[in-house]
Amino acid sequence: DQQVKQNSPSLSVQEGRISILNCDYTNSMFDYFLWYKKYPAEGPTFLISISSIKDKNEDGRFTVFLNKSAKHLSLHIVPSQPGDSAVYFCGGGSQGNLIFGKGTKLSVKP
Amino acid sequence: SQTIHQWPATLVQPVGSPLSLECTVEGTSNPNLYWYRQAAGRGLQLLFYSVGIGQISSEVPQNLSASRPQDRQFILSSKKLLLSDSGFYLCASARDSNTGELFFGEGSRLTVL
Repeated sequence: DQQVKQNSPSLSVQEGRISILNCDYTNSMFDYFLWYKKYPAEGPTFLISISSIKDKNEDGRFTVFLNKSAKHLSLHIVPSQPGDSAVYFCGGGSQGNLIFGKGTKLSVKP
Repeated sequence: SQTIHQWPATLVQPVGSPLSLECTVEGTSNPNLYWYRQAAGRGLQLLFYSVGIGQISSEVPQNLSASRPQDRQFILSSKKLLLSDSGFYLCASARDSNTGELFFGEGSRLTVL
């Protein structure tokens, strides 16, 4: 049973436009949600997080939105840059553990 | 800040051979430690986590095991590798248990032939 789902395996966006990455979860006990970015053959790096009591968190070009009633969160990147091309993992967790989705590969074309 | 060292970075092993992947953490004490695996089509799968020396919790039943002999050392092992054990193994340390943020190592690529 997947607790965190990223239903889009890939997304292609033009440079300068908005990238929207989506994530759904089933576990209503998650206290926090995080987004990680991963390049091939490297460890994931932390991007942005949101507490379950918030509905929005913004950090520069990255904004995460949380809709608890729909058990859905999304990551917005604007403007998108070619360097943003990577696999993005959504994670949810509580008490220090983190469960990830399968990831979405974002390609930003110049 | 924390630094996570994983080795070996790359490993090619025959089916049925043993495995030992090591992870050490610097810059923190008594961290929660994790082993994740990234396999094709399966995302980042949590395999084991540890809240202290000798304390291991398994998330997925399989032929892998983990041990934590020292506070900042986490080891992933297998007595007999299967083809399905191939993947990219990542060690992680918790930066903040309240936010769930993790530091990841650079990973170990295991290919089982």
